[in-house]
Amino acid sequence: KAGVTQTPRYLIKTRGQQVTLSCSPISGHRSVSWYQQTPGQGLQFLFEYFSETQRNKGNFPGRFSGRQFSNSRSEMNVSTLELGDSALYLCASSAGTMSNEQFFGPGTRLTVL
Amino acid sequence: QKEVEQNSGPLSVPEGAIASLNCTYSDRVSQSFFWYRQYSGKSPELIMSIYSNGDKEDGRFTAQLNKASQYVSLLIRDSQPSDSATYLCAVHFNKFYFGSGTKLNVKP
Repeated sequence: KAGVTQTPRYLIKTRGQQVTLSCSPISGHRSVSWYQQTPGQGLQFLFEYFSETQRNKGNFPGRFSGRQFSNSRSEMNVSTLELGDSALYLCASSAGTMSNEQFFGPGTRLTVL
Repeated sequence: QKEVEQNSGPLSVPEGAIASLNCTYSDRVSQSFFWYRQYSGKSPELIMSIYSNGDKEDGRFTAQLNKASQYVSLLIRDSQPSDSATYLCAVHFNKFYFGSGTKLNVKP
């Protein structure tokens, strides 16, 4: 089975711009979660989508949004980028069953200049 | 109060020794517990999941869960330099809560 894929792997943007990140989960997985990881804050939960519906949301401003498509692929959008948004953005997929095992993609490294 | 707490380390052990990583969590109704390994510059990799009290062994790894004490641990036997990484504890209740990770250094 192919693993979780994320595109792009690296991204450089300037303040004020917006960015869209993409995640393709493991085949058959219906849950996709997004995380932000920084050296200072660790792994912070952004949101989770299950069957095209946002099921959970973390404590991030409205500039961070996401969506999930019918094929379970998910996108995350950040508008009006700030320097502090520089981070590794990780997508994780899960079957959404009771086992809840979650598998991470390689991440997208976003640098905001 | 943080939902999941881990000692940030670094924890240094000699090659061949047992490394013991600990994690406490605050939510009494959590049902699923996980250990992830993260190498520098890489994404977290799931290494163990545990759902019921007691021990669960997988190769050199043993996860231990004590729900009454809200405590989960990971033992790595015969530690190797390749085990040097940050180990993240995760707890699932409606969503995942991650600890900040313990950095493990295995010295040859």
